Amino acid sequence: GQNIDQPTEMTATEGAIVQINCTYQTSGFNGLFWYQQHAGEAPTFLSYNVLDGLEEKGRFSSFLSRSKGYSYLLLKELQMKDSASYLCAVWDSNYQLIWGAGTKLIIKP
Amino acid sequence: DTGVSQNPRHKITKRGQNVTFRCDPISEHNRLYWYRQTLGQGPEFLTYFQNEAQLEKSRLLSDRFSAERPKGSFSTLEIQRTEQGDSAMYLCASSLGEGEVDIQYFGAGTRLSVL
Repeated sequence: GQNIDQPTEMTATEGAIVQINCTYQTSGFNGLFWYQQHAGEAPTFLSYNVLDGLEEKGRFSSFLSRSKGYSYLLLKELQMKDSASYLCAVWDSNYQLIWGAGTKLIIKP
Repeated sequence: DTGVSQNPRHKITKRGQNVTFRCDPISEHNRLYWYRQTLGQGPEFLTYFQNEAQLEKSRLLSDRFSAERPKGSFSTLEIQRTEQGDSAMYLCASSLGEGEVDIQYFGAGTRLSVL
């Protein structure tokens, strides 16, 4: 079967750094996406990785290791508005997005 | 560019009734997707269109669910004889359908409550 695992919830302090992990087992791999979703709102695209390594985009970075079936999203200089759920999704061999359940990130002042 | 638009935002219905939701994708996007999301879970794929053609439908989707995209623009999702288990957020997404990275852009969703 296809499986994507993320921690259910994480807590971090404003101004700090947090790393949200994602491990996956899917039928094929054509890329991995990270989305942010505020409560009651639509998921919004954050990053895409298809090759191993780190992709940096401002305060957010995403890392991929295809051999380990592992990715992480790194958020720096945390702000209160970063409180949201972060969803990891994998493009499988049929180019269908397989979603994790999301990690709820709580930022404390 | 007004983004992906979904209507209504909220729908409350009684068990056994039919409901229909509408999605207007980003205008130049060829692909349109429907997902269902329940609290604390990621989106669950329901179906997707390439222009007006429905190319894939989840095996989890019962015969009570049907979707159309008649002219390759807006789409509708209909649920017949609703059940309490249908209560969820129904999300629509669209993408260009070309290029190396086909990013899906989501609408704000329609929240369905079946009483």
